[in-house]
Amino acid sequence: DAGVIQSPRHEVTEMGQEVTLRCKPISGHDYLFWYRQTMMRGLELLIYFNNNVPIDDSGMPEDRFSAKMPNASFSTLKIQPSEPRDSAVYFCASSLNYQGNYGYTFGSGTRLTVV
Amino acid sequence: GQQLNQSPQSMFIQEGEDVSMNCTSSSIFNTWLWYKQDPGEGPVLLIALYKAGELTSNGRLTAQFGITRKDSFLNISASIPSDVGIYFCAGQSLGGSQGNLIFGKGTKLSVKP
Repeated sequence: DAGVIQSPRHEVTEMGQEVTLRCKPISGHDYLFWYRQTMMRGLELLIYFNNNVPIDDSGMPEDRFSAKMPNASFSTLKIQPSEPRDSAVYFCASSLNYQGNYGYTFGSGTRLTVV
Repeated sequence: GQQLNQSPQSMFIQEGEDVSMNCTSSSIFNTWLWYKQDPGEGPVLLIALYKAGELTSNGRLTAQFGITRKDSFLNISASIPSDVGIYFCAGQSLGGSQGNLIFGKGTKLSVKP
């Protein structure tokens, strides 16, 4: 299995531009998570999906952030308009809906820089 | 909200030394997980613990689920340079859904050859 695949690995954009981050979870995993990592705040859960349905988006910073999961093999996180404070590493993770197994498999992340 | 206190924040050790780090919680957890993050990569699961008192090893790594269910520790024996990275604890509270996995702030480990 190729694991969780994220693209792009690096993104540099100007303030005000729209940014779209992409994620392909591991086939067969029922849960998908979007995290943001910064030095100050560590790993923050933004939103997660179960069977393609958003379950909890309380971690999404504000209306500029949106996430979709149109099918079991693809999810996007969009920031519009982007701001310098959005600069961070964004991780996607997926897991099996298996009682007793709560390990998440993370992608390699997208490093976003907004200038 | 729930928080995990992970300590120490960073460690600088000599190759061959043993390492110990821990996490404490203000509430009871039913699952403790330990992850390692290499530079430029996502966290990778090292050890998962599901029962109070459980002691689990993975090579040179040993982790324990505290009896009180509010803490966990990770030990690394005979450290080597490739142990360098950030180690995260993560926990899930009783009755929590899959999305309630809470991460500590991490322990940054540096190993001097």
